[in-house]
Amino acid sequence: GEDVEQSLFLSVREGDSSVINCTYTDSSSTYLYWYKQEPGAGLQLLTYIFSNMDMKQDQRLTVLLNKKDKHLSLRIADTQTGDSAIYFCAESMRNTDKLIFGTGTRLQVFP
Amino acid sequence: DTGVSQNPRHKITKRGQNVTFRCDPISEHNRLYWYRQTLGQGPEFLTYFQNEAQLEKSRLLSDRFSAERPKGSFSTLEIQRTEQGDSAMYLCASSSTGTGYSYEQYFGPGTRLTVT
Repeated sequence: GEDVEQSLFLSVREGDSSVINCTYTDSSSTYLYWYKQEPGAGLQLLTYIFSNMDMKQDQRLTVLLNKKDKHLSLRIADTQTGDSAIYFCAESMRNTDKLIFGTGTRLQVFP
Repeated sequence: DTGVSQNPRHKITKRGQNVTFRCDPISEHNRLYWYRQTLGQGPEFLTYFQNEAQLEKSRLLSDRFSAERPKGSFSTLEIQRTEQGDSAMYLCASSSTGTGYSYEQYFGPGTRLTVT
């Protein structure tokens, strides 16, 4: 089945690290993605990881994938107020690449 | 290239009217996707095209919805006899399966539909 779950809300202090978690159910997923959405805007692709990788780092972003537990996380180092947004994880389905999204995690960064 | 564009950005219509949205993908992208996002939810897949062929439609896409991509470039999504439950953000995304396939879908800013 296709189901992606995320916690709804995360609040962190500016300068701290943020960790946003996601679980998915379809073991045939090819890629897993993290998107950022600011109020009233479309989705911005942040990073993605191929399903046979464990970790990917891209500047302040670190993605960890545990295939056994079907768990994906996004760590944002040195979180800034501009990082406040909703973060969606998504899995892509084999052959079509259609994305199945989670419900999103609202990240609030306070000074 | 300026990315994926969508028009209009906002549409307010009365229940029962027909509406049409347009999506212009990134020029070299051969795949085009439509998603719908309601308040507080993640986007849900509606349909996708590879070039001009519509290859998959979600069960969410009732008979009142139709999508086209006649020349494999821009796409239109039409909703006939709109209902209040159609109120949502309609998102378009594109990707490439050609040389240098990057498995990345790039989204447009969306069209927000309000049905009164």
